[in-house]
Amino acid sequence: DAKTTQPPSMDCAEGRAANLPCNHSTISGNEYVYWYRQIHSQGPQYIIHGLKNNETNEMASLIITEDRKSSTLILPHATLRDTAVYYCIVYGSSNTGKLIFGQGTTLQVKP
Amino acid sequence: DAGVTQSPTHLIKTRGQQVTLRCSPKSGHDTVSWYQQALGQGPQFIFQYYEEEERQRGNFPDRFSGHQFPNYSSELNVNALLLGDSALYLCASSSGGFGNQPQHFGDGTRLSIL
Repeated sequence: DAKTTQPPSMDCAEGRAANLPCNHSTISGNEYVYWYRQIHSQGPQYIIHGLKNNETNEMASLIITEDRKSSTLILPHATLRDTAVYYCIVYGSSNTGKLIFGQGTTLQVKP
Repeated sequence: DAGVTQSPTHLIKTRGQQVTLRCSPKSGHDTVSWYQQALGQGPQFIFQYYEEEERQRGNFPDRFSGHQFPNYSSELNVNALLLGDSALYLCASSSGGFGNQPQHFGDGTRLSIL
């Protein structure tokens, strides 16, 4: 079973920031938080990952709470092309290569 | 820099047949994982190959088997196809074995069983 909980769906206005929450209260100390997204009819796309510090790349920012029990993926200026299913995944070396996907959050960006 | 490539993109088979799906990993990657994604569900891990050996396996029957070649490319074989095997089959590649390097996915092979 997935170790994360995400809202099933969210809406966001085009040009605004999209903030996608994820709860992972049972995360272990050596486990990372990964985010992927899947646009219809494509394979999952890696977005970002982090251990405990906040991370930023050209696609998004990842904010992890100090107790590491939850995180937020931020898309700073959402576009229609960001409409997708977003998956939050907890992964560590004990997973031995297996990413466990939950149901994810369907983000609908509206004009 | 080519990403993960999978072939074919679509395939139609009938029950009882056998199928082989192919995957070329992203340049510089030596580890290949396979996932099955049923309609409306998240991907489910089938197995992972590293150094030409199956290292980790998900909850899939022995009808699902694989192979990794010296050039790191991989095949997924499914025997005695069932209607329930209809799904999107995804290949993901990464580097460094069990490390924390992210897996990068191809766009999958859509398998339909009639």
